[in-house]
Amino acid sequence: GAGVSQTPSNKVTEKGKYVELRCDPISGHTALYWYRQSLGQGPEFLIYFQGTGAADDSGLPNDRFFAVRPEGSVSTLKIQRTERGDSAVYLCASSLSPRGTANEQFFGPGTRLTVL
Amino acid sequence: GIQVEQSPPDLILQEGANSTLRCNFSDSVNNLQWFHQNPWGQLINLFYIPSGTKQNGRLSATTVATERYSLLYISSSQTTDSGVYFCAVRTLGYQKVTFGTGTKLQVIP
Repeated sequence: GAGVSQTPSNKVTEKGKYVELRCDPISGHTALYWYRQSLGQGPEFLIYFQGTGAADDSGLPNDRFFAVRPEGSVSTLKIQRTERGDSAVYLCASSLSPRGTANEQFFGPGTRLTVL
Repeated sequence: GIQVEQSPPDLILQEGANSTLRCNFSDSVNNLQWFHQNPWGQLINLFYIPSGTKQNGRLSATTVATERYSLLYISSSQTTDSGVYFCAVRTLGYQKVTFGTGTKLQVIP
């Protein structure tokens, strides 16, 4: 597709379960970002990938959160032992490169995660 | 870390009116974007504008990096302009992007 896609669009899970959220960036984009947006707030940075490696994971809230991008394209955000406070919209963005004007980020529609 | 404040936090406009939204940031930046988050939650790119002035139809934006602010102008507002407007910045040497506090705009017919 032409834009960033995310699946699933909605995910409802129970406290303590494991979830995986998927992001397909724009084809050819080397940089990929994950954000979390709580109700009424702006998106908060979680992690940035350049290619296959996590170049900045300073926004991950704790070690229950982990993300991978094994082939430098699709990325998966993994959350273990989910808590009710993890409920939010998880957004993915990609950019052509991390430099200059090519760093303009384009966002996917998000995955709404609800932890019961 | 960098602080990004937007004003006003809320704005109600009559259709056809003009408005100016402001984004202040507390440190030097090398990347600034304006987004419109529509009522369905999609973030739509408006401008990539680390410095200077750009225009796109009824919208224009100006960033004065040395004075650490950016302005978004909306002219002849339409009901479809409703939603939340965010600025997002990145500081030199870092890839982390920080979003502002947002301006919630409602345009009424």
